[in-house]
Amino acid sequence: DAGVIQSPRHEVTEMGQEVTLRCKPISGHDYLFWYRQTMMRGLELLIYFNNNVPIDDSGMPEDRFSAKMPNASFSTLKIQPSEPRDSAVYFCASSRQGYNEQFFGPGTRLTVL
Amino acid sequence: ELKVEQNPLFLSMQEGKNYTIYCNYSTTSDRLYWYRQDPGKSLESLFVLLSNGAVKQEGRLMASLDTKARLSTLHITAAVHDLSATYFCAERMNYGGSQGNLIFGKGTKLSVKP
Repeated sequence: DAGVIQSPRHEVTEMGQEVTLRCKPISGHDYLFWYRQTMMRGLELLIYFNNNVPIDDSGMPEDRFSAKMPNASFSTLKIQPSEPRDSAVYFCASSRQGYNEQFFGPGTRLTVL
Repeated sequence: ELKVEQNPLFLSMQEGKNYTIYCNYSTTSDRLYWYRQDPGKSLESLFVLLSNGAVKQEGRLMASLDTKARLSTLHITAAVHDLSATYFCAERMNYGGSQGNLIFGKGTKLSVKP
């Protein structure tokens, strides 16, 4: 059974460019989470969805960040325009119901020059 | 303020020794999670502790939960090099509309030396 799939695994872009990160959750999971991990701030929850509906986006840093989940098997996190301080590893995770353990994808390492 | 505090944040151990990582959390959470992260890798779920007094063991790792003290521990027995990683605990928010949120600690970076 495939785990959480994220693409791309690495992204290097220049300041001001648009960046789109993609996630496919585990089939049957109804919760999807986007996290950001940096050395300085640790692991931060950005937004999460339940049954494709955004539930809590209070962790989204600013309007440059947006996330969508058009269906149960796909979600995107978009940064437009990107800035060097957005450089981090972005993880997607999914779970079956909100109280069960979350399964993390391999992450996308984003570098904004 | 919701907070999960782990200590120590850095731990250097010798192979064969025992040690405990502590995780204090701030809410009346009903679930506590432990994850492992190897350098440059993703997070791997280790344990889900569901109730007061819960104890789970996997190999050389044993996790326990005391909800009254708001404390979870991860005990390492006879450490081996393969256990070198960063260990995170996380509590689940269980109020309001954000029942899916996990609040993570800063992680304990464990280094096991021969």
